[in-house]
Amino acid sequence: DVGMTQSPLSLPVTLGQPASISCRSSQSLVYSDGNTFLHWLQQRPGQSPRRLIYRVSNRDSGVPERFSGSGSGTDFTLKISRVEAEDVGVYYCLDGSHWQFGQGTRLEIK
Amino acid sequence: EVQLVESGGHLVQPGGSLRLSCAGSGFTFSRHDMNWVRQAPGKGLEWVANVKYDGSEKHYADSVKGRFAISRDNAKDSLYLQMNSLRVEDTAIYFCASDQNWDIGPWGQGTLVTVSS
Repeated sequence: DVGMTQSPLSLPVTLGQPASISCRSSQSLVYSDGNTFLHWLQQRPGQSPRRLIYRVSNRDSGVPERFSGSGSGTDFTLKISRVEAEDVGVYYCLDGSHWQFGQGTRLEIK
Repeated sequence: EVQLVESGGHLVQPGGSLRLSCAGSGFTFSRHDMNWVRQAPGKGLEWVANVKYDGSEKHYADSVKGRFAISRDNAKDSLYLQMNSLRVEDTAIYFCASDQNWDIGPWGQGTLVTVSS
């Protein structure tokens, strides 16, 4: 099984400051067709998850431009350029080929 | 609007059964693989089961294999999860979610299943 490891697991951030979450997989996520099915989800308190970024770096409709995804192979990063209050919640990376989630990173305002 | 709406969750005794439903709208349901994902209280996300767009293949997490059955009815744009021999550790919010790999990747709002005597 592919293992997904996120860091940090807790991320206190000052409003307006950048934030970065790392996701590392135990094996390459490059699929046989050349696609990399690594996605990022956001779960705000009391809400269901919603996808923010798909296939490493594609922002979903309605997702603010301050969110960006990058990476390749086994190492991936979600960045928030300037954290806003509405960004509080838990962020998960997801290997979409094997439906393996990272443990989640809890973002809070410092 | 692309939407998934789950229903069917409630309190059930250990050993009991429950059937969850998920209704899709706003997208071509029959073209998407579909999944059930659960979240135990205060915990992270756990994939439960998957069914291919045409129902031809089904896969399950080891924790539910032999007890849960996923199915779909594309004529009704609906996904189902039949849960038998329920255990206390199956207590969770159950979400339906489409295949996340392409341009749309909706999630439902979830339905709560509580297994307790």
